[in-house]
Amino acid sequence: DAGVTQSPTHLIKTRGQQVTLRCSPKSGHDTVSWYQQALGQGPQFIFQYYEEEERQRGNFPDRFSGHQYPNYSSELNVNALLLGDSALYLCASSGKPGLAGVDNEQFFGPGTRLTVL
Amino acid sequence: AQTVTQSQPEMSVQEAETVTLSCTYDTSESDYYLFWYKQPPSRQMILVIRQEAYKQQNATENRFSVNFQKAAKSFSLKISDSQLGDAAMYFCAYRRGAGGTSYGKLTFGQGTILTVHP
Repeated sequence: DAGVTQSPTHLIKTRGQQVTLRCSPKSGHDTVSWYQQALGQGPQFIFQYYEEEERQRGNFPDRFSGHQYPNYSSELNVNALLLGDSALYLCASSGKPGLAGVDNEQFFGPGTRLTVL
Repeated sequence: AQTVTQSQPEMSVQEAETVTLSCTYDTSESDYYLFWYKQPPSRQMILVIRQEAYKQQNATENRFSVNFQKAAKSFSLKISDSQLGDAAMYFCAYRRGAGGTSYGKLTFGQGTILTVHP
């Protein structure tokens, strides 16, 4: 049973560029959440996708956008990169949100390390 | 908004000894979950233990146990018989219960780096 996978592992971009990060959820999961983790800090929630729609969003600018495909995989796009966007980007998958009684534990992928120069 | 605070940036313990990591949180919700995650240098975030707020009994998973004090909004992690493999960054996290619009969002603390000395 494959867990959550993310690609690429590492990425180096320059300021102003755009980047796309990818995530495949754990088998049986249909909800994907994205987190940004700055060095030495706790992860910060970016947004969550379910049924191909953004369901929740954290305090991140519109430069951060996402997409979820019918197979539940997801992409995180960041436009006009800033130096401060350098971080580890974590993807987590879980079951249907808001379903009482359902264990919606989030399983995390290994992350994508983005460096903006 | 919910907040999670870990006041210990770093902790250390001797192998086979016991260590306790602290966490406090703030919420106005009555239905929520609390978690401890471990993040080793490999970066993979691994769930260590979870606690449902409506359960009075403290959760236990092998060498890991929690002290959940709901009134005080405190949620500490005790690691018994510490092993070298326990060395990692530990995060306390909060998630509100089912049915809310922000369900599923994890709010993390700043983390505590745990060093285990042989």
